[in-house]
Amino acid sequence: DQQVKQNSPSLSVQEGRISILNCDYTNSMFDYFLWYKKYPAEGPTFLISISSIKDKNEDGRFTVFLNKSAKHLSLHIVPSQPGDSAVYFCAAIGDSTNAGKSTFGDGTTLTVKP
Amino acid sequence: EAQVTQNPRYLITVTGKKLTVTCSQNMNHEYMSWYRQDPGLGLRQIYYSMNVEVTDKGDVPEGYKVSRKEKRNFPLILESPSPNQTSLYFCASSFSVGADTQYFGPGTRLTVL
Repeated sequence: DQQVKQNSPSLSVQEGRISILNCDYTNSMFDYFLWYKKYPAEGPTFLISISSIKDKNEDGRFTVFLNKSAKHLSLHIVPSQPGDSAVYFCAAIGDSTNAGKSTFGDGTTLTVKP
Repeated sequence: EAQVTQNPRYLITVTGKKLTVTCSQNMNHEYMSWYRQDPGLGLRQIYYSMNVEVTDKGDVPEGYKVSRKEKRNFPLILESPSPNQTSLYFCASSFSVGADTQYFGPGTRLTVL
């Protein structure tokens, strides 16, 4: 049973517009949620995180929203830039019995067109 | 420069021949973890370590071993590799678990024939 799901394998947006990437989870005990960005032939790099006790976190062009009742989080990128084109992974960290466990979604490939 | 290094970056081997993928970090991080990534899938956690001499299974630990004898190193051992372990492997580290950023290595592409 996949506990973290990114249902959209790909997303294409125009430069300057908003990109919205979505992630759903099933385990209500997750402590933190993180977004990573990955370019080909490189390891993932951290973008932004949010604690399960918050509903929003913002860092520059990136904002993550958490809806605990819906078990849903989203990453907003405004404005989108061509350099944002990459694979984005949502990850959930820890629960009451396994603080060190990390569970990743399958990723969404974002393409930002000039 | 703060970094996570993995060696080798590429490896082609044969079924049953024991191998070790090394992982080292120079940031004095307590937490380290190994992941595998297969085509079209996200990263699946193999093993993680909260500190020296403390290791725990992730979601896909079968066929793998790890050790954490010192803080900076976290090798991944495949005692008897099989073709279904052909994958892209990433090592990561962070100061602690949770909101702390995990820094990832560049990846090791392993092919088991």
